Amino acid sequence: DGGITQSPKYLFRKEGQNVTLSCEQNLNHDAMYWYRQDPGQGLRLIYYSQIVNDFQKGDIAEGYSVSREKKESFPLTVTSAQKNPTAFYLCASSLSTDTQYFGPGTRLTVL
Amino acid sequence: GQQLNQSPQSMFIQEGEDVSMNCTSSSIFNTWLWYKQDPGEGPVLLIALYKAGELTSNGRLTAQFGITRKDSFLNISASIPSDVGIYFCAGQLAAGNKLTFGGGTRVLVKP
Repeated sequence: DGGITQSPKYLFRKEGQNVTLSCEQNLNHDAMYWYRQDPGQGLRLIYYSQIVNDFQKGDIAEGYSVSREKKESFPLTVTSAQKNPTAFYLCASSLSTDTQYFGPGTRLTVL
Repeated sequence: GQQLNQSPQSMFIQEGEDVSMNCTSSSIFNTWLWYKQDPGEGPVLLIALYKAGELTSNGRLTAQFGITRKDSFLNISASIPSDVGIYFCAGQLAAGNKLTFGGGTRVLVKP
């Protein structure tokens, strides 16, 4: 099946720890994106990558880091510098000339 | 930066009713997208609009790309219980550019 997968679905972390969220797509999409969603809010862009080995900061990049070593994968690391990391994290991908399609999301809770 | 105002923020529906929501921007977009998100899931693309004045349908859903390029409308006809969820509009300046999301319209069932 083609699609975007995110793992895990639920993630718990102790305060002060870094944690990495996985996003994989087998759609052969060029671009990948990470969004953060807080309860009752819209989506805010964290980082995006339009091509392998290149990525740009979105609107709320502070406290996050990414890598794009493979076309299929765009992992997001939530660092201890992120002041309020508890949120729902959504990954998306697109062809360079097409609309974005979203994964199922990872809910991160900091204990 | 660009902002999208989506209204209403929430609405109650009764089965069989028609539902309307809209999105307005402080500046123009060249693509408008409408997504639906169920609780705990990623947004699913409903309709994509690429041309000012365009009217596009997807089953009981109809969306329009405003002639000024600064607004878009989504209508749901003859609503059913599974229409409950959060509907997001998103604007894009050009293919491959990042999306700007509205705050969402939460559709609920009348008690």
